Amino acid sequence: EVQVVESGGGLVQPGGSLRLSCAASGFTFSSYWMSWVRQAPGKGLEWVANQDGSAKYYVDSVRGRFTISRDNAKNSLYLQMNSLRAEDTAVYYCVRVYVFGKNFFDHWGQGALVTVSS
Amino acid sequence: EIVMTQSPATLSLSPGERATLSCRASQSVSSSLAWYQQKPGQAPRLLIYGASTRATGIPARFSGSGSGTEFTLTINTLQSEDFAVYYCQQYNNWPPITFGQGTRLEIK
Repeated sequence: EVQVVESGGGLVQPGGSLRLSCAASGFTFSSYWMSWVRQAPGKGLEWVANQDGSAKYYVDSVRGRFTISRDNAKNSLYLQMNSLRAEDTAVYYCVRVYVFGKNFFDHWGQGALVTVSS
Repeated sequence: EIVMTQSPATLSLSPGERATLSCRASQSVSSSLAWYQQKPGQAPRLLIYGASTRATGIPARFSGSGSGTEFTLTINTLQSEDFAVYYCQQYNNWPPITFGQGTRLEIK
């Protein structure tokens, strides 16, 4: 069974940093692109970042502050978040991209809540 | 950036009725369109990809249609478990990958 499980969420002050982790199982992690998608409280879905092999892509609002990375040996995806702002408050989902080049998401984690507040 | 616009924002229907949800792209996305269902407190679930292909395990009462800039998600014979929020997402032209703002399907 495919599973992705996020961890590392929490409360952080504006300007602070946080690192989210995503542990994947039930599939050959190295063969899949992975992404992060977030959802602010009561709002819709927003794509945050993709890692396609070695290439990394970001939504404009986080570029330069967030870094996506992965460790295929550990079947893990990460999101390093720096210079956090109140508007980064959201549930962050780790998602599997369906197949190479088709950037829709067939498996989602349960989400990790990140709250940026003083 | 391709902007996805969903309508209506809220749709009120009764169980057994048919739901028709719309999604419009600001420019052509070909058939690179996915639909997701999200229930309160849960992660989204993939329903449809390629505009019309049901994902694994999705009941046949869910169907998708359209191409280019106009897309429709139809849910025949609404069941109680279908009342949720639905999002469309384009993956033809990225980054960024973009979602619609969602349609809330509520019980009338």
